[in-house]
Formats: sequence, C-alpha cells, structure tokens
Amino acid sequence: AQTVTQSQPEMSVQEAETVTLSCTYDTSESDYYLFWYKQPPSRQMILVIRQEAYKQQNATENRFSVNFQKAAKSFSLKISDSQLGDAAMYFCAYSLGAQKLVFGQGTRLTINP
Amino acid sequence: GAVVSQHPSRVICKSGTSVKIECRSLDFQATTMFWYRQFPKQSLMLMATSNEGSKATYEQGVEKDKFLINHASLTLSTLTVTSAHPEDSSFYICSVKRPENTEAFFGQGTRLTVV
Repeated sequence: AQTVTQSQPEMSVQEAETVTLSCTYDTSESDYYLFWYKQPPSRQMILVIRQEAYKQQNATENRFSVNFQKAAKSFSLKISDSQLGDAAMYFCAYSLGAQKLVFGQGTRLTINP
Repeated sequence: GAVVSQHPSRVICKSGTSVKIECRSLDFQATTMFWYRQFPKQSLMLMATSNEGSKATYEQGVEKDKFLINHASLTLSTLTVTSAHPEDSSFYICSVKRPENTEAFFGQGTRLTVV
C-alpha cells in the first residue's frame, strides 16, 4: 500500500524568509502524482502545487516550488518570501491518476511577523 | 467560483438520529467522488469512494451500514451517518477529481457534532 510520511509536525519561519517542508512516500508504481495541499483555519483544502512523476522538472507556482527526487521518493515543498497568509496546515498527498488521494500526517506552519 | 459544494457546513444532531451530508460537483460531471474524515489536528482519512450508479467502495474498518453513501447522479453524492453516536463527531470532507488532469477539488467540509 502507498504511504506518505511528513516527519515535521510543526515548522515556523520568519516573515519574508524561506522554509522547506519535507515529505517522503512509498510506492511500487512508476507513474503517479504528488501534491501539496494547504488547509487554513477555515479548513478548506487548497491545492498549492502538483507534480507528475514522469516529469523530471520540478514544479513551481510563484513562491512555491518542489524538490522532487523520484529515486529517493522524496517530495519537499519550498516556500519563498513567506507571508502571514501562508500560515496553515500543509498536507503532502499521493495519487494514481483518478484514484484516491493518500495524505501525509500534515505539517503546521507558523509565520512569525 | 466553487467547484464543489458541500452542505451543511455544520450540523448538530442527537444520539441515535441520522444526518445526511450532500456533496455536489458544480463544474463537471463526476463518476467518482471521495469522502474523507478528519479528526482534530489529524490528517484526512479516506472513508469511501462513491461511484455513480453503483455501490460505494469502503475503506477497511469503515462500517458500510453506518455510513451510507448514495451517488445517484453525476453531480451529487450523499453521505448519511445513521444512528449517530458522539464518537461519530468529526469533520467530513468530500472531494471530486477532474478526469482530464487528476486535480482534486474539495468541498468546504461538514462539522458534525453528535450530542
């Protein structure tokens, strides 16, 4: 079974600084998708970034970028120029195409002004 | 605008009663919808996969008779918590995946409190 592990329950960063959230996963598949979701206090799940496993190039979305290491089964999220609005729970997730999402345990990110 | 609409956002019910939660796909037809449960300060755990026109697929450990899922149309799935107990109190979230690019969209969630 596929598993996703986030080893950092909590992280904090100074406003405008850079922070990296870690995620590892376990799968025997070669073609899959990885995601980072943000869950603010409203609890609405928001997609931050996605990565297709067949793409070697790391995905980027404005201040958010990933470091995808397929062989190491690692998928970290880097947030640059952290803003107060980035404070939230961040979940790493894995899926096979149209199938279910498997989530990691989550990392609570605090932004210090 | 919202792609997935979930109602109600909050519900309080008495022990022993049933409560229905609706999940609507507003932007596209969905043959598959997913129901997750989230306990406080924990991650989302998949409860079941709702399949239009057929029986839902439940995850191991999820009681089929307690959590009834109906996916009667391509835009609506419902989760009914039957004979609710306080331990069923939780946050329930539905999700729909856009077929062409696997992007998942989530409802705003339902906070269920059983008293």
